[in-house]
Amino acid sequence: KAGVTQTPRYLIKTRGQQVTLSCSPISGHRSVSWYQQTPGQGLQFLFEYFSETQRNKGNFPGRFSGRQFSNSRSEMNVSTLELGDSALYLCASSSGIGETQYFGPGTRLLVL
Amino acid sequence: GDSVTQMEGPVTLSEEAFLTINCTYTATGYPSLFWYVQYPGEGLQLLLKATKADDKGSNKGFEATYRKETTSFHLEKGSVQVSDSAVYFCALSGPNNAGNMLTFGGGTRLMVKP
Repeated sequence: KAGVTQTPRYLIKTRGQQVTLSCSPISGHRSVSWYQQTPGQGLQFLFEYFSETQRNKGNFPGRFSGRQFSNSRSEMNVSTLELGDSALYLCASSSGIGETQYFGPGTRLLVL
Repeated sequence: GDSVTQMEGPVTLSEEAFLTINCTYTATGYPSLFWYVQYPGEGLQLLLKATKADDKGSNKGFEATYRKETTSFHLEKGSVQVSDSAVYFCALSGPNNAGNMLTFGGGTRLMVKP
């Protein structure tokens, strides 16, 4: 089975712009979670989607949003980018609640 | 809320040395516990997990035992290799979550010298 894929792998944006990141889960997995990884804050949960519904949301401002499509692919969007949004954004998929989560390689976002 | 505390790194060991990375947690109820590993430039890989008290997770020579009485899940390996050099994350998934949210520790960088 192919693993979790994330596109793009690297991205450079400027402050004030918006960005959309994509995640394709492992085939058959219906749960997709997003995490932000920074040197200062470590790994922080953004949100989780299951069957197109947001099931959980972390403590991030409304500039961070996401969605999930009927094929379980997920996108996250960050509007009005700030320098502090520079991070590695990781996506993870699983087949259900309490099941093992498999992570993708991440999208590294640099905001200038 | 739930939290995970790991020993700070970096941990530097010689090849074939014994490894322990401490992890303690705070959570209500009985969370599931995990160790993930991150190699340079990559995402996270699940190393092992335990879902109930006294369970021992093991994989690739690494072991960790779920200790409810001490709220700990320490990672051990009897003989490390250079290829084990990576960042290790302890995490929990709390029983009060509606879904799969993971709460991570700060990570511990392991450097193994030949």
